[in-house]
Amino acid sequence: NAGVTQTPKFQVLKTGQSMTLQCAQDMNHEYMSWYRQDPGMGLRLIHYSVGAGITDQGEVPNGYNVSRSTTEDFPLRLLSAAPSQTSVYFCASSDQAGFNYGYTFGSGTRLTVV
Amino acid sequence: DAKTTQPPSMDCAEGRAANLPCNHSTISGNEYVYWYRQIHSQGPQYIIHGLKNNETNEMASLIITEDRKSSTLILPHATLRDTAVYYCIEQVWGAQKLVFGQGTRLTINP
Repeated sequence: NAGVTQTPKFQVLKTGQSMTLQCAQDMNHEYMSWYRQDPGMGLRLIHYSVGAGITDQGEVPNGYNVSRSTTEDFPLRLLSAAPSQTSVYFCASSDQAGFNYGYTFGSGTRLTVV
Repeated sequence: DAKTTQPPSMDCAEGRAANLPCNHSTISGNEYVYWYRQIHSQGPQYIIHGLKNNETNEMASLIITEDRKSSTLILPHATLRDTAVYYCIEQVWGAQKLVFGQGTRLTINP
């Protein structure tokens, strides 16, 4: 049981480039979400989903798109990378029925935009 | 914005109990207190949660005051591997999202 898998682990982008951060979970969780964490800060919510086909914006959604075509996958797209998007990105999932165990987080993607 | 308040840092000696406080004076009746920790730069890890009763699991104990305005996470026998940032979060059951504050950076000293 792999839990939440994020790829890639590290990425360097040039300003203006686009890319997709991948997130997959094998726990059949309905809830999935993306957070970013800047140095010395707590996590901030970018986008979240409560099931396939349903997504919503979080606290800092600008510059990011998401879609949820399957229960397992929740990719995060950077449309036109900017240096301000340099951060560590975490994906998380939870099954509401099993909420006794909180959210499960991936190990993160460390993104640098130059 | 996060609705909880935690001290920015704490130190504890290895083998001793680490007591991490959290204030949540505006917590609603249907909101639970959840604790997560983040070791180094890994993803946060769920520790424990509670509504109004004290809770204990294999990782920690959670003591919630009777008025529910504050709580304390207790690591009974802290080890060096417990060095991490600890986050206290209010959330309703089945919350679709988490709101993180700055947390408490706990350092366990040998």
